[in-house]
Amino acid sequence: AQSVTQLGSHVSVSEGALVLLRCNYSSSVPPYLFWYVQYPNQGLQLLLKYTSAATLVKGINGFEAEFKKSETSFHLTKPSAHMSDAAEYFCAVSLYGNKLVFGAGTILRVKS
Amino acid sequence: DTGVSQDPRHKITKRGQNVTFRCDPISEHNRLYWYRQTLGQGPEFLTYFQNEAQLEKSRLLSNRFSAERPKGSFSTLEIQRTEQGDSAMYLCASRYSPVRGATNTEAFFGQGTRLTVV
Repeated sequence: AQSVTQLGSHVSVSEGALVLLRCNYSSSVPPYLFWYVQYPNQGLQLLLKYTSAATLVKGINGFEAEFKKSETSFHLTKPSAHMSDAAEYFCAVSLYGNKLVFGAGTILRVKS
Repeated sequence: DTGVSQDPRHKITKRGQNVTFRCDPISEHNRLYWYRQTLGQGPEFLTYFQNEAQLEKSRLLSNRFSAERPKGSFSTLEIQRTEQGDSAMYLCASRYSPVRGATNTEAFFGQGTRLTVV
């Protein structure tokens, strides 16, 4: 079975600072991994995905994530936070690209 | 392509009433998923369709819940005899997937239907 653990339900950074959102996964087979962003009362938008190609994945809005098999991690980073990045972020794992299993989410707050 | 559309966006109902939600996927997408999201949690899988066939249902989907996808197009999710614990955001997603084999295609989500049971 697949599972996802997101460390830190809330993360607060200053505008311009590094964003680091942590995700660890568990999967019995090589996983597909995703990061989604959700703004209040909205659906989810895909930021990036890992599907066994390059381990460093670049996504939209300057976000990227690195797949580390030895650490079973897929942490999301952005070099410089912007006020518009304030949202909730979900890491998800998928078996063979089918249904998604989500973490509990991390709310990112960006301080001016 | 107008994306995944869900209707209604918000629904307030009294406990014990039945409710039905609709999801219109992206037209060429053959897979359609329903998820439920409660406050402070990530979305949880409920069920999915490959065309008109319902291929998997979560244990979360009690017998008060039923989903259909007639003709492999739009889908409906009905909750009978609603309970306060059913209050949540119900999300629909769709993707194109080959009939066999793994896929890394993106799942597109609708904006969700927020259900409040009073």
